[in-house]
Amino acid sequence: DTEVTQTPKHLVMGMTNKKSLKCEQHMGHRAMYWYKQKAKKPPELMFVYSYEKLSINESVPSRFSPECPNSSLLNLHLHALQPEDSALYLCASSPMGLAGTNEQFFGPGTRLTVL
Amino acid sequence: AQSVTQLDSHVSVSEGTPVLLRCNYSSSYSPSLFWYVQHPNKGLQLLLKYTSAATLVKGINGFEAEFKKSETSFHLTKPSAHMSDAAEYFCVVSHPSGSARQLTFGSGTQLTVLP
Repeated sequence: DTEVTQTPKHLVMGMTNKKSLKCEQHMGHRAMYWYKQKAKKPPELMFVYSYEKLSINESVPSRFSPECPNSSLLNLHLHALQPEDSALYLCASSPMGLAGTNEQFFGPGTRLTVL
Repeated sequence: AQSVTQLDSHVSVSEGTPVLLRCNYSSSYSPSLFWYVQHPNKGLQLLLKYTSAATLVKGINGFEAEFKKSETSFHLTKPSAHMSDAAEYFCVVSHPSGSARQLTFGSGTQLTVLP
């Protein structure tokens, strides 16, 4: 299985809602990533998990809360979002280690709209 | 520090003609370089990667790229464009950050293929 899956594909939420995005991979990768991508822009890194521990938080607002329950799953919990948080949210995974190329494998993304 | 410059924000070609998407990089390390493609409302798909072995790298769908250290370039080419090649293309450099690897994205090149 060489796929990263993300659910849901689309999500519409109000500013007072709580929702979660889910990402799953079964490639044995021990690094997982959340990105935010606005239209016509490259992805922006939000969080990195290494061996299920948060290793990088790119100064993301606390209304985004990541969670890595196990080595295959990555969640992004959303609460009290703003309309400017509307974007495509991408999950990725990669093998660990400083050597080698370790390219990242991306999921199809969740299109989030905040009303 | 790492950086990537994609020299053209938009490239337009006719179907059946060659494609050239230009990328220059800057890296403190021996770089790992990638080209990713993103079709509308989709995730990113790896086209090819440079692994410090062969300087001419072949990827999927007939694309290839040549690593030129003296020019710090990693241009993407395809001999004959197909309508299905219309998409956004990102040149990416990978670098270690703690125990995972971070990606630095170029700003992207939108490829249009005319019938």
